[in-house]
Order: sequence, then C-alpha cells, then structure tokens
Amino acid sequence: EAGVAQSPRYKIIEKRQSVAFWCNPISGHATLYWYQQILGQGPKLLIQFQNNGVVDDSQLPKDRFSAERLKGVDSTLKIQPAKLEDSAVYLCASSLTGGNTEAFFGQGTRLTVV
Amino acid sequence: GENVEQHPSTLSVQEGDSAVIKCTYSDSASNYFPWYKQELGKRPQLIIDIRSNVGEKKDQRIAVTLNKTAKHFSLHITETQPEDSAVYFCAASIGGTASKLTFGTGTRLQVTL
Repeated sequence: EAGVAQSPRYKIIEKRQSVAFWCNPISGHATLYWYQQILGQGPKLLIQFQNNGVVDDSQLPKDRFSAERLKGVDSTLKIQPAKLEDSAVYLCASSLTGGNTEAFFGQGTRLTVV
Repeated sequence: GENVEQHPSTLSVQEGDSAVIKCTYSDSASNYFPWYKQELGKRPQLIIDIRSNVGEKKDQRIAVTLNKTAKHFSLHITETQPEDSAVYFCAASIGGTASKLTFGTGTRLQVTL
C-alpha cells in the first residue's frame, strides 16, 4: 500500500514568514496526526484528527500554528509567523481507528527558520 | 499529562552482543507501549509494541517487557547486527491505540563490527 505522503521535504524560511505543510494519509485511515520533532528529541504530538474533527490539540501553539483536515482526507499545517525555535522536522502520521492500530509516519518536512 | 523517560541516550555494542533500552512512564492509565526505529533521515517505523494485558512480547531478535507496577518497559535486541544501528524511541498512550502517543527522547544505538 502507498505510504503517508508529505510535501515539501525541505523548507527554509526567514523568521516572521509563514509556511504550510501538506499531508496525504494512507487511504482509509481516519486518524491523522501532526508531530514536531526537534533535533535530538522524540516526536511531540501537535494535533490529532479523527476524520475532519480535532481529537487533541493541547500541545499546538495556537497563536501561530493552525491545522485543518478538510473532507477528512488531506491535511495542512501552517505556521504564521515562524520563529527560530520552530526549526524541526514536521511528521505526519495516520492510523486506522479502533483497537490494535499502528501509526504510520511520513518522511517529514524539515523546516529551517533563519 | 504523560511523561516518558528513556535511557540510555546513546548505546554502543559490538556485533552479536545484546542491547537493552529502558523507559519509564508516569501515567498509570497508559496501556499501549510501541517502540519505533528511526534510521538517519528516515521516518520512524514501528518495530514492536506491547499492551498492558501482557508482560512480554517477542518477535525474532526483538523483545519487549513491561512492568506495570513499576511503570517501566524495556526493549531487548539480541544478536545485534550493523543494520540495527539507528535511533530507537519508546512511547506510551492511553486507550490501547496509537492515539495521543507520548514519545521518549530516543536512544542512539551503534553496533560496531
């Protein structure tokens, strides 16, 4: 089966600029996650969707980060305005809903804020 | 919220030796504990997971043990090979699924010849 697709793979922006990341989950996966992975750390959950509804966004810095999942399939994550500390890899993952599920990760988008 | 601590941060073993990575969690309600392997520049991939209704699970050279009372779980890799070199992350969640995973800080395993 096709995996989780993310784009772009790399992005370099200046601080205070805006940026958007795109994710296409595995077909049929109702749950979609966005994680932030800072260099040398484990992934941190930013937001979790089930279909097009938000399940958890408690760790999303809502003053600058936003995410949407229109029609319950693709998702976009936006940062506006970006700060230096936003430099990280942004990983999208998806899973089936229900028991015995595994989260499948995409390749990630490496963001560098200069 | 949940807090997961992972040790050691780096681990170097000789090929053929065993490697053990340990994690502790804070929320006694956590009941799903996956382990992910991340090779340099690549996506995290699930290698094994365990749920709180079992104490041990094994898959070929990889095993995971869980001690619910002490709130810790460990990854054991036997007969290590160079291709086992990667960063390994433990994680924990409530609900028995991949929902709302909290990850550890990772262990960089280096298998030397």
